[in-house]
Amino acid sequence: DAKTTQPPSMDCAEGRAANLPCNHSTISGNEYVYWYRQIHSQGPQYIIHGLKNNETNEMASLIITEDRKSSTLILPHATLRDTAVYYCIVRAYGQNFVFGPGTRLSVLP
Amino acid sequence: DTEVTQTPKHLVMGMTNKKSLKCEQHMGHRAMYWYKQKAKKPPELMFVYSYEKLSINESVPSRFSPECPNSSLLNLHLHALQPEDSALYLCASSQADRENYGYTFGSGTRLTVV
Repeated sequence: DAKTTQPPSMDCAEGRAANLPCNHSTISGNEYVYWYRQIHSQGPQYIIHGLKNNETNEMASLIITEDRKSSTLILPHATLRDTAVYYCIVRAYGQNFVFGPGTRLSVLP
Repeated sequence: DTEVTQTPKHLVMGMTNKKSLKCEQHMGHRAMYWYKQKAKKPPELMFVYSYEKLSINESVPSRFSPECPNSSLLNLHLHALQPEDSALYLCASSQADRENYGYTFGSGTRLTVV
């Protein structure tokens, strides 16, 4: 079973920041937080991952709370092409990726 | 090359047909995966290969038969499928010996069983 809880859907205005929350209250100390997204009818695409510290790359920022029980994926300037299902996954070394329902993000013009 | 290539992109097959899905990667990844995704549902893990050996079979019916001929290639042989097996079949690969590795997914094969 997926170990995360995400809102089923969110809307965001084009050009604004999209903040996607994820609860993982039972996360273990050796589990990483990963974010993937899936644009319609394509394979999931890796976005970012982290263990404790906040992370940033060219796609997004990942903010993990100090107690690690929740995190937020931030797309700083959402575009229409960011419309997708976003999956938050917690996973330790040796475990496989288990996808939950994710959040369907709609970026609106 | 940083891609996972899946062929064909679309496949329509009858319930008595035998067909195969192919997945290829040239990133030196030694772990490869098959996932099945029904419409509006998340991907579900089917099989895991590690160093060309089957390490996980998630109770998948025998009408699905995976094969890993070498470290770059993963096949999924299909036989006597049912209409409910219609789905997007995703292949992924990863490095098998790094603690925080992610998976690289292909674009999938959309299978329709008629």
